[in-house]
Amino acid sequence: DAGVIQSPRHEVTEMGQEVTLRCKPISGHNSLFWYRQTMMRGLELLIYFNNNVPIDDSGMPEDRFSAKMPNASFSTLKIQPSEPRDSAVYFCASSLGGGYDTGELFFGEGSRLTVL
Amino acid sequence: AQSVTQLGSHVSVSEGALVLLRCNYSSSVPPYLFWYVQYPNQGLQLLLKYTSAATLVKGINGFEAEFKKSETSFHLTKPSAHMSDAAEYFCAVSRTGGGNKLTFGTGTQLKVEL
Repeated sequence: DAGVIQSPRHEVTEMGQEVTLRCKPISGHNSLFWYRQTMMRGLELLIYFNNNVPIDDSGMPEDRFSAKMPNASFSTLKIQPSEPRDSAVYFCASSLGGGYDTGELFFGEGSRLTVL
Repeated sequence: AQSVTQLGSHVSVSEGALVLLRCNYSSSVPPYLFWYVQYPNQGLQLLLKYTSAATLVKGINGFEAEFKKSETSFHLTKPSAHMSDAAEYFCAVSRTGGGNKLTFGTGTQLKVEL
């Protein structure tokens, strides 16, 4: 079975440029999560969706960040304009969602972003 | 609200020695508890999970964890460390009742020395 698929795996860009990270969750999973991981702040939840609807975006650092989930099999995280402090590894994860969901997450391999 | 506290951001053991990574939880309802492992340059992988069945949970790679309600703990152990166990380990908690997000601890970096 295919796991959570993220692209690109690595992105190097210059300050001010737009960055778009992509995620394909596991088929049949109804919840999708975007996390950011840095040495300084550890693993931070940015936003999560349930049935394609954003449920909690309180972790999104500022208006430069936006996330969408146009359908059950695709999500994007966009940063515009990017800044050096956005450099991090961004993880997408999915879970079953719904009443039988234990909360177990399945993670992608991450997108490592470097903003120069 | 639920939370987890991982004691020790770095743990170092000798190869062949016991591994003990500590996790204490706080939850207003019976929790689901998880241990995840992250190897360098990879995403997090589930090691094991407690979902209110047996209190001693066995996971992959010889790891196990015991749910102790009286101590609000869910410590991760492995009898004999291997070099390949060097990684970062995260404890996490979610609520029973379904549809809830995980809350992660801050992680413990395990180093295994010869």
